[in-house]
Amino acid sequence: NAGVTQTPKFQVLKTGQSMTLQCAQDMNHEYMSWYRQDPGMGLRLIHYSVGAGITDQGEVPNGYNVSRSTTEDFPLRLLSAAPSQTSVYFCASSYSGGASSEQYFGPGTRLTVT
Amino acid sequence: RKEVEQDPGPFNVPEGATVAFNCTYSNSASQSFFWYRQDCRKEPKLLMSVYSSGNEDGRFTAQLNRASQYISLLIRDSKLSDSATYLCVGPPSGGYQKVTFGTGTKLQVIP
Repeated sequence: NAGVTQTPKFQVLKTGQSMTLQCAQDMNHEYMSWYRQDPGMGLRLIHYSVGAGITDQGEVPNGYNVSRSTTEDFPLRLLSAAPSQTSVYFCASSYSGGASSEQYFGPGTRLTVT
Repeated sequence: RKEVEQDPGPFNVPEGATVAFNCTYSNSASQSFFWYRQDCRKEPKLLMSVYSSGNEDGRFTAQLNRASQYISLLIRDSKLSDSATYLCVGPPSGGYQKVTFGTGTKLQVIP
């Protein structure tokens, strides 16, 4: 099992550019989520999904879009990159979601916006 | 007040020492809590889950104090390999599915 995979591992963008961070899991988990991690801020929830076709906003959704067309994939789109979006992005999945279930994280994408 | 609060540390302890971290939470409705471990520049990984009164796994003990609304993590006989950041997961914020992580407590075990 690959678990949760993320691509790319590193990315540098210029302000205003758009891109998609990819996330896939092979554990047949219904719940998937995206976090960003900044120094001193911990993990902050951006968007999450409780199943294919269902997404919702987390704590810091502005500037990001998501979709969930399959159980396996949960891409995160940056619409117009800003320096404030420089961060480490983690995708996670879990069996039943919410606060009652272990989450499995991908290795992260380190994004720099100049 | 934040939903979940942790002392950021760092906690610098010698090998063999016992060290404890607390994580306080503001929402009393949650039924389960977790401790995650995160190594430098790596993803978080589950260390322990904390249901009802607590959990023990080798050198690690997690306790839940509902009256005072905190969970604790106790590490006995610290090893150099325990050096990491420890994150707690507390009650969801704004909805069951919105998981809330603490900012993490950094532990450095010194030879």
